Amino acid sequence: QQQVKQSPQSLIVQKGGISIINCAYENTAFDYFPWYQQFPGKGPALLIAIRPDVSEKKEGRFTISFNKSAKQFSLHIMDSQPGDSATYFCAASKGGGTGANNLFFGTGTRLTVIP
Amino acid sequence: NAGVTQTPKFRILKIGQSMTLQCTQDMNHNYMYWYRQDPGMGLKLIYYSVGAGITDKGEVPNGYNVSRSTTEDFPLRLELAAPSQTSVYFCASSYSGTVSGYTFGSGTRLTVV
Repeated sequence: QQQVKQSPQSLIVQKGGISIINCAYENTAFDYFPWYQQFPGKGPALLIAIRPDVSEKKEGRFTISFNKSAKQFSLHIMDSQPGDSATYFCAASKGGGTGANNLFFGTGTRLTVIP
Repeated sequence: NAGVTQTPKFRILKIGQSMTLQCTQDMNHNYMYWYRQDPGMGLKLIYYSVGAGITDKGEVPNGYNVSRSTTEDFPLRLELAAPSQTSVYFCASSYSGTVSGYTFGSGTRLTVV
C-alpha cells in the first residue's frame, strides 16, 4: 500500500520553465512533508520540507504548496535549469518528522530540463 | 568527512547465494537505516537501528538480517538471495531520528540472477 502517491512519473520541461510535481496522502497523522532530490548514482538529499501549519514554503527557486484539506502538496521549481535534472521524491512523516520508522516516500518523478 | 559509505557499489549474485552489504558512517550518528529502492517505487525501509545493539524491522524486512555492534557500522545480510531482492539499497544515518537530518549513502546496486 503506497502511503504517498506521486505524479507525474516523468516530466520534461524547457529551460526557464516551471516544473510542478504533485503528491497526495490519506493518513491525517502525517505532519511533516519533505522533498528529496536524487542525482544518478547518488543517494537522496533533502531539498525542502514543510509542516502543515503553513500553506507555502519557498527556498530560492523551490516552493512547496500545501493543501491540508485536500491532503495534497506539490513542489514547484521556478526558472528550471538543466542542473535541476534529477529524480524528485516527496515523502511524509508522523511525529513532527521524528522517529525511526516514520518516513514514507512517494514513487518519484524523473525531471529532465531541456536546454 | 566521508559521511555514509556503502560498499560494494555494484554486485551480481546468483540465486541462493548470500552476501553482506556494508555501511559505515563517521558522523557519530545514533540512528541508522537500510532502504531499498525498486524501479518506479519509492524507498522502502528494511531495517533500522537506534543505537549499537538495538535493531528493529521496517516495512519490508523479509529475507534480510542486520546487526549493529558499533555506532559506525550497520551491515545488511542477505542469506538466500532471490530475484525479488534485485534492487538498489541505500543506507542512511541521522543523529536523533529527525527526518530532516538524514544523510544517505550513494547506494549498492544488487542484481540477483
